[in-house]
Order: sequence, then C-alpha cells, then structure tokens
Amino acid sequence: LVLTQSPDTLSLSPGQRASLSCRANPSLSSNYLAWYQQKPGHPPRLLIYAASRRATDIPDRFSGSGSGTDFTLTISRLEPEDFAVYYCQQSSSFGQGTRVEIK
Amino acid sequence: VQLVQSGAEVKKPGESLKISCRGSGYKFSDFWIGWVRQMPGKRLEWVGVIDPQDSDTRYSPSFEGQVTMSADKSIQTAYLEWSSLKASDPAMFYCARARVGISELYFDQWGQGTLVTVSS
Repeated sequence: LVLTQSPDTLSLSPGQRASLSCRANPSLSSNYLAWYQQKPGHPPRLLIYAASRRATDIPDRFSGSGSGTDFTLTISRLEPEDFAVYYCQQSSSFGQGTRVEIK
Repeated sequence: VQLVQSGAEVKKPGESLKISCRGSGYKFSDFWIGWVRQMPGKRLEWVGVIDPQDSDTRYSPSFEGQVTMSADKSIQTAYLEWSSLKASDPAMFYCARARVGISELYFDQWGQGTLVTVSS
C-alpha cells in the first residue's frame, strides 16, 4: 500500500481553510484511514481515525472525509497552533506528510 | 494515559541496545504497542506492533530481522532491541498505543520518543 499526500507544502494565513489530500494505491477496501499532526520536537498526535471520526479532545475545525482511494483532511479555519506537518496512515503505511506553513 | 520512553542513547556500530516504553493510566495488556521510526526531517516509518497480552508480533518487512520487539505485561513495559547496531543517521523511535482491528490499525497515544545515535 502506498499513501501519497498532496501538496507537500501548503502556505496559508490564519483564518483560512486548509484541505490536505491523501491518495491510496491500491484503493482501500475499508475506510480505516487516520490523520496525525506533528509539531517540531514533539511526537505525532492523532486527529482523525476511521477516515472521519475525531479523536478525543480534537477541535471540531478538524474534519476528515473520503473513501476508497481519495481522503481529505480539512481544517475549516486555521489557528496559529495548527501550523505543523500532517500525516495520513493506513495500517502499516504512512504518507510522506504535508507541511502547513504560515504565508 | 501515558507512555514514557527511556532516554537518548549513543552507541557504536556492533553494540547492542534495548529501549523501553512504559505505559500507565490504562490496562497495558488490553492494547497493542507499536513502534515508529523517524529520521531527522523525514516521514514516519512503521516498525511493527506487539500484543503485550501474548507477545504476538507483526513486523514491517523493512525492519524484520533488524530489530526485536518484546513486552513484559507485569511491569507494563514494551521494548525494542537491536543485537548489533549499524552506523546510521540519528533516528527517533516512538512507541505508541495501537488500536488494532481486523482491517484497522492506528495509534491513539504516543510516547515522547527515544533518540538513537549510532556512530563510531
């Protein structure tokens, strides 16, 4: 299984909407895709599991969607603390990450 | 829920190493523990997972034969071990509590990481 994330870097301003893509090859027969956020010097933090379920204590500005080959993590309005690297994961595969940076 | 890992290690090629991950705040044997490698500035890489209840393991093909996972549920601790380290760039190894299903595996709690440096 190969997970390809796009874009590699997303340059946005606080308050803007962020859409991060994760494409699976081959297609996932189940929607068990997770998303993580990682800030420098910190371990990853689970945001979303089962493609669309928010983990405990994750703000509702984070949402996940998708099925099969195409999955999306959306941050509805970027807060300053949301600028970080985001990874998708399915079973034993991780994507290469998308960096969300301040424009 | 907390996972606390052992401290940073600096080793020479050929030496052995065992790093640890102690869980607290939950029943340790009820959840698999996974290990994830991250080289500086690079992506996360799945090393493998272990069931502390019966020490059943699943390794990534990339790491099988290179490392050994083990666990001691009586002291709520999982381990990642190398019998003979190879020279490489420093790497951070994270342990994480795994939620494992028939087709599902994700990590809901993470340790702080252990930095492993192997250099002559």
